[in-house]
Amino acid sequence: EPEVTQTPSHQVTQMGQEVILRCVPISNHLYFYWYRQILGQKVEFLVSFYNNEISEKSEIFDDQFSVERPDGSNFTLKIRSTKLEDSAMYFCASSEEEVQETQYFGPGTRLLVL
Amino acid sequence: GNSVTQMEGPVTLSEEAFLTINCTYTATGYPSLFWYVQYPGEGLQLLLKATKADDKGSNKGFEATYRKETTSFHLEKGSVQVSDSAVYFCALSAHASGTYKYIFGTGTRLKVLA
Repeated sequence: EPEVTQTPSHQVTQMGQEVILRCVPISNHLYFYWYRQILGQKVEFLVSFYNNEISEKSEIFDDQFSVERPDGSNFTLKIRSTKLEDSAMYFCASSEEEVQETQYFGPGTRLLVL
Repeated sequence: GNSVTQMEGPVTLSEEAFLTINCTYTATGYPSLFWYVQYPGEGLQLLLKATKADDKGSNKGFEATYRKETTSFHLEKGSVQVSDSAVYFCALSAHASGTYKYIFGTGTRLKVLA
């Protein structure tokens, strides 16, 4: 069964450094999303992406964040200058055209900012 | 606005006990409703969904019915197993700007004892 994959599974970085989190969505899906889950808290929507542009973003998704689909298979989340409060689990999700509202999630990347 | 409220956990049950995890929502319009499960160390897996009022989603012995009159989507299972121990998230799908985003509840941790 096709699935969303994410790399790395864990990332430790120093405050102020840039990180890129990578996702490979399910191959025939056209809608892509990033969510995050701070330890012990809710899963929160960050951004949705379709047709090579951002469809919607949350208040959390400020200028430090960016997303890109650099090729036909990858979808990335970049944090330019990480802060301590960016420490969280980041989930990528994708959905297909016909059943857009059902999203399939990857296993997540646990980011720790020191 | 849109929101999801789940019962507080943790919920601790003995094997073969009956499970109910309450979920209520507020939403504009008629969202689709979902239950996701997160096993220890893993990502979010779609457990079941319902797309309109009175729909019943079911999977792996779990069921939930979309109740518009009570704005609820309670998760039930008749006989839990140790392997059901996980965190369960209720979510609604909110449509905006041409795509959907999920609003999650806080999650309910279930622990099943042998």
